Amino acid sequence: EVQLVETGGGLIQPGGSLRLSCAASGFTVSSNYMSWVRQAPGKGLEWVSVIYSGGSTYYADSVKGRFTISRDNSKNTLYLQMNSLRAEDTAVYYCATQMGGGSYRYYFDYWGQGTLVTVSS
Amino acid sequence: EIVLTQSPATLSLSPGERATLSCRASQSVSSYLAWYQQKPGQAPRLLIYDASNRATGIPARFSGSGSGTDFTLTISSLEPEDFAVYYCQQRSNWPPSFTFGPGTKVDIK
Repeated sequence: EVQLVETGGGLIQPGGSLRLSCAASGFTVSSNYMSWVRQAPGKGLEWVSVIYSGGSTYYADSVKGRFTISRDNSKNTLYLQMNSLRAEDTAVYYCATQMGGGSYRYYFDYWGQGTLVTVSS
Repeated sequence: EIVLTQSPATLSLSPGERATLSCRASQSVSSYLAWYQQKPGQAPRLLIYDASNRATGIPARFSGSGSGTDFTLTISSLEPEDFAVYYCQQRSNWPPSFTFGPGTKVDIK
């Protein structure tokens, strides 16, 4: 059974840093595309970043240069390092898988429960 | 950058009624479009991918159609558990990125 568990959220001051983790089970993180998607309170969904199975990484313009996606294959865990945090980064952050081949990798098929990041002084 | 718009913003219907939700892309996305359902306090759930394919375990009352720039999600007969927010999503080829529409809320009339 595929499971994703995010941790690491919390209250952080503007300009601060935070690292989110997404522990995966039931599949191999390094063999699949994996993304972070966020949702500000009461708002819609916003894709943040993806790491491909080959290791290539891509980011939304809103976080480029501030956030870094990575994975630890030995721990089967996905990470999101968030630096220079702003109030507008306040959101629930979900990790999501993009498993399968072909065009199915363009979609988010399994999601974690999310972890809340609040950026406020 | 491809922008997705969804209409209507809110759809008020009764159980048993048919729901028709629209998603329009600012330029062609071929058939690379998905639909998600999200209930309060829960993560989104993939319903439809490649515009018309139901994801694993999704009931047959959910169907998707369209290609190019205009897409539709249809719920043939609303069940009580279908009242939720629905998002469409597409992927851009280069640079790789993914975009969601603003959502349509289906609520009980």
